Amino acid sequence: KAGVTQTPRYLIKTRGQQVTLSCSPISGHRSVSWYQQTPGQGLQFLFEYFSETQRNKGNFPGRFSGRQFSNSRSEMNVSTLELGDSALYLCASSLGRDREAFFGQGTRLTVV
Amino acid sequence: SQQGEEDPQALSIQEGENATMNCSYKTSINNLQWYRQNSGRGLVHLILIRSNEREKHSGRLRVTLDTSKKSSSLLITASRAADTASYFCATGSNTNAGKSTFGDGTTLTVKP
Repeated sequence: KAGVTQTPRYLIKTRGQQVTLSCSPISGHRSVSWYQQTPGQGLQFLFEYFSETQRNKGNFPGRFSGRQFSNSRSEMNVSTLELGDSALYLCASSLGRDREAFFGQGTRLTVV
Repeated sequence: SQQGEEDPQALSIQEGENATMNCSYKTSINNLQWYRQNSGRGLVHLILIRSNEREKHSGRLRVTLDTSKKSSSLLITASRAADTASYFCATGSNTNAGKSTFGDGTTLTVKP
């Protein structure tokens, strides 16, 4: 069974630009969660989608948004990039509540 | 602040020795998961333990959970150089859909 796939693996963007990251969950998993990992803040929850609906959201500004498609694939978008958005962005998929969450390899975003 | 706190922050041992990492958390949980991360890459799922369980095993890994003390421990027996990584605990609650709250991690170094 294929694992969670995130694309692209690396991105370099300029301040003010926007970026879209993609996550394909494990087949059959309908829950997709997104996290930001930085050396200073650790792993922070961004949002979670289940069956195309956002069920939960972390404390990030509105520049961070996401969506989920009918095939459970998810995208997250960051608009008006800031230097502080440089981070490893991780997505995880799960069958649902109280089940294991499996992570992808992440997208390393660098904002210059 | 983060829900979970791992202890110690860093651990260095010789190959063949056992490694024990601890995780404490603050609020009620439904489950706790342990992950391994190698050098800024994705998180590898190790074990999920539910709040009604006290102990789980997987290969060389043993996880305990004490909900009365709000703490968990991860024991790696007969460690190998390949176990060198950062280890994170993540707590989940069914009232907080799809969100895992991570600690700051323990960095384990296993010397050959």
